Amino acid sequence: QVQLVESGGGVVQPGRSLRLSCAASGFTFSSYTIHWVRQAPGKGLAWVAGISYDGANRYYAESVQGRFPISRDNSKNTLYLQLDRLRAEDTAVYYCAREIPGGGGQGYFDLWGRGALVTVSS
Amino acid sequence: SYELTQPPSVSVSPGQTASIICSGDKLGDKYVSWYQQKSGQSPVVVIYQDNKRPSGITERFSASNSGNTATLTISGTQTTDEADYYCQAWDGSTAVFGAGTKVTVL
Repeated sequence: QVQLVESGGGVVQPGRSLRLSCAASGFTFSSYTIHWVRQAPGKGLAWVAGISYDGANRYYAESVQGRFPISRDNSKNTLYLQLDRLRAEDTAVYYCAREIPGGGGQGYFDLWGRGALVTVSS
Repeated sequence: SYELTQPPSVSVSPGQTASIICSGDKLGDKYVSWYQQKSGQSPVVVIYQDNKRPSGITERFSASNSGNTATLTISGTQTTDEADYYCQAWDGSTAVFGAGTKVTVL
């Protein structure tokens, strides 16, 4: 079954860290660029970060640059997002999403996980 | 940073046509994707590369993109189409989403 499954969410205090994982199955994980997209409670989708198929290229939203390093382990078919120095405004459901490449680097997200909820609260 | 603007809500009667606009500077020069998100569920792509439908998406969904505006059209709207819809484009290597439009079928 082709799927992405997030894990690692939870409640964490401001300033602390958390690591999210996204386990892929049913497709050749190492062939795809994968992204993290988050959604704060009652709000819209916001792109967080992306990593190329081989891990050589990583991209970040300004709001998380320097705080949320993205990585992957293709031998384990797993994507990671390290959430450091967390803030209340980072509270959200975090989705991983597979990108299908398009012309000029403008792909689209064809496969999404169910999401992992991260709550930052004291 | 690049911004995409969508109306917060659109209401439509069953069987009628709903149109959702997404605007951005020179948006027509970019590829636009549209995502449907039903309550409590993950997003699903309904349109990619401006006007292409993924396999399994009903023909009732169509879209266009030109100038500064992209439009998602839902024909013969059904109650099952009630959802939030997000447009998305790329600003370099950064993905940008619109704020979303809630479609209500009255």
